[in-house]
Amino acid sequence: NAGVTQTPKFQVLKTGQSMTLQCAQDMNHNSMYWYRQDPGMGLRLIYYSASEGTTDKGEVPNGYNVSRLNKREFSLRLESAAPSQTSVYFCASSETQTLTYEQYFGPGTRLTVT
Amino acid sequence: DQQVKQNSPSLSVQEGRISILNCDYTNSMFDYFLWYKKYPAEGPTFLISISSIKDKNEDGRFTVFLNKSAKHLSLHIVPSQPGDSAVYFCAATHTGTASKLTFGTGTRLQVTL
Repeated sequence: NAGVTQTPKFQVLKTGQSMTLQCAQDMNHNSMYWYRQDPGMGLRLIYYSASEGTTDKGEVPNGYNVSRLNKREFSLRLESAAPSQTSVYFCASSETQTLTYEQYFGPGTRLTVT
Repeated sequence: DQQVKQNSPSLSVQEGRISILNCDYTNSMFDYFLWYKKYPAEGPTFLISISSIKDKNEDGRFTVFLNKSAKHLSLHIVPSQPGDSAVYFCAATHTGTASKLTFGTGTRLQVTL
């Protein structure tokens, strides 16, 4: 039982390049989330998927797109990377039926855009 | 507009003493609160939570207190241990938001020997 896994762990991009961050969970959770963490800013929600087939914007969606490929997988795409997207990205999942609101996080992807 | 605030960026406590981490919120719709712990190079892990129908929740060395009228919650760790050294995030949500969490900026706790 791996929980939430993210790939890659580290990535360096040049401005304008594109990439996809992958996330998978094996807990059969309905909801999945993408956050970014920046120094002094806490975790900010980029996009979320309340259930398979649905996605919605969070607090900071500009410059990103997401795909809920199936119940297990939720990917985050940067179409044209910018230095402002240098951050640590966390994927999370939760079981919304239990009403405990607890989210389980992956280990993160550290992205640097030069 | 920071709806969840952790005004102390850092806190240093001696081993064996009590650590008190504070969190304030402005959105009166929030009705469920969580604390997460984060070690460097790892994802946040859930620590303890509290519903707005309670004013206290305890789990071993960790206790969370909620003061709804003051829109304030605190996490108490007794006794503090060196392994508790981490960044602690407060988070809040309300029913009907697809479990979206709003996080504070975090407090770095250092437990010294």
